Amino acid sequence: QSALTQPRSVSGSPGQSVTISCTGTSSDVGGYNFVSWYQQHPGKAPKLMIFDVSKRPSGVPDRFSGSKSGNTASLTISGLQAEDEADYYCCSYAGIYTYVFGAGTKVTVL
Amino acid sequence: QVQLQQWGAGLLKPSETLSLTCAVYGGSFNVYYWSWIRQSPGKGLEWIGEINHSGSTNYNPSLKSRVTISVDTSKNQISLKLSSVTAADTAAYYCATEGGNWFDPWGPGTLVTVSS
Repeated sequence: QSALTQPRSVSGSPGQSVTISCTGTSSDVGGYNFVSWYQQHPGKAPKLMIFDVSKRPSGVPDRFSGSKSGNTASLTISGLQAEDEADYYCCSYAGIYTYVFGAGTKVTVL
Repeated sequence: QVQLQQWGAGLLKPSETLSLTCAVYGGSFNVYYWSWIRQSPGKGLEWIGEINHSGSTNYNPSLKSRVTISVDTSKNQISLKLSSVTAADTAAYYCATEGGNWFDPWGPGTLVTVSS
């Protein structure tokens, strides 16, 4: 069970869009529509931003969106804002009642 | 609205057993699964395992030999024990609610340091 692959960092100017990829295998990301995304600010606990690939919990701005194609899931932040600067982690159900996370992506707002 | 509070020893010596507890407030304790997740300094997240109100557990295969997760339904609490710790187990440990195949909300985290 290997960690999902995410880019170490992405950046964008305010108002721009950024996309974070999350690549797994057919045993996790590709095998189930159970990908979730978490935002983590320094010193804080992670916060759920997307679940079941593309669903947004109540209270999460609609500039956050998720998608999946094959073994790769993606999180897109449209209209980037200063408060979006944080670390983002993907997570996938990996079968046999287990979960696997990505290594995290640092989003920098320029 | 579920809220989680967690506590436990923050400094351990190698070979000791890590012991953490998470208390669940609000919501229905019998509805969800409850997970433990850890984050090593400057590193990503690692799922440790989960339990439900009836004590049914599932563990990360890489940690299964050292992990025990238990539940106390009379107190709405779940507990984590990790035996034979080493410096590699130094991390922030979080409990989290599983509403489905996702984690929300999370506890505030407990930093555990393993050092001789």
